[in-house]
Amino acid sequence: SQQGEEDPQALSIQEGENATMNCSYKTSINNLQWYRQNSGRGLVHLILIRSNEREKHSGRLRVTLDTSKKSSSLLITASRAADTASYFCATDDHSGGGADGLTFGKGTHLIIQP
Amino acid sequence: NAGVTQTPKFQVLKTGQSMTLQCAQDMNHNSMYWYRQDPGMGLRLIYYSASEGTTDKGEVPNGYNVSRLNKREFSLRLESAAPSQTSVYFCASSGSYTEAFFGQGTRLTVV
Repeated sequence: SQQGEEDPQALSIQEGENATMNCSYKTSINNLQWYRQNSGRGLVHLILIRSNEREKHSGRLRVTLDTSKKSSSLLITASRAADTASYFCATDDHSGGGADGLTFGKGTHLIIQP
Repeated sequence: NAGVTQTPKFQVLKTGQSMTLQCAQDMNHNSMYWYRQDPGMGLRLIYYSASEGTTDKGEVPNGYNVSRLNKREFSLRLESAAPSQTSVYFCASSGSYTEAFFGQGTRLTVV
């Protein structure tokens, strides 16, 4: 069964606005990762946050992690048309050894209107 | 540096036919994975290989077999394709507790 659930399933905003998407998961984790997928393409890693971290930044991306609530959020600031894509959270479950694969949510489809 | 390379990119099979999806990575990663992605869904793990010589079932292994040929290569085989296996297949590799790198995917249609 899928570990992560993103919210919302779809999001449409104007270029320049900020986009926030959320992820909830069920079990203890080693880390949580966010990926982007452009239509018909492979997944591209955006950011990894470890279970002992609470916030992480990378360029226009800000990720938070609340292990007590088993939730994470991804904020994209000053959105651009090129940010239009699907965004997935993925967890590296604590029970594994860091090598038994990621568990993905169903994704948030983000559309940036010009 | 090619990263993760999958072949073929597209394939159409008739029900009952067999095929092998090939995957190779050049990042010296120990771990490799096969996922499938269905419309509106995230990725689901089919099989993984934590290191050369080992393979394990993931969430949806039925109807598939894998081979970790060497550290670089991890293949996925459909012995008798079924329409339910129509999907997009992704190979990935990673080090321990680090991000995964994905191939561009194989779009498989079983008719």
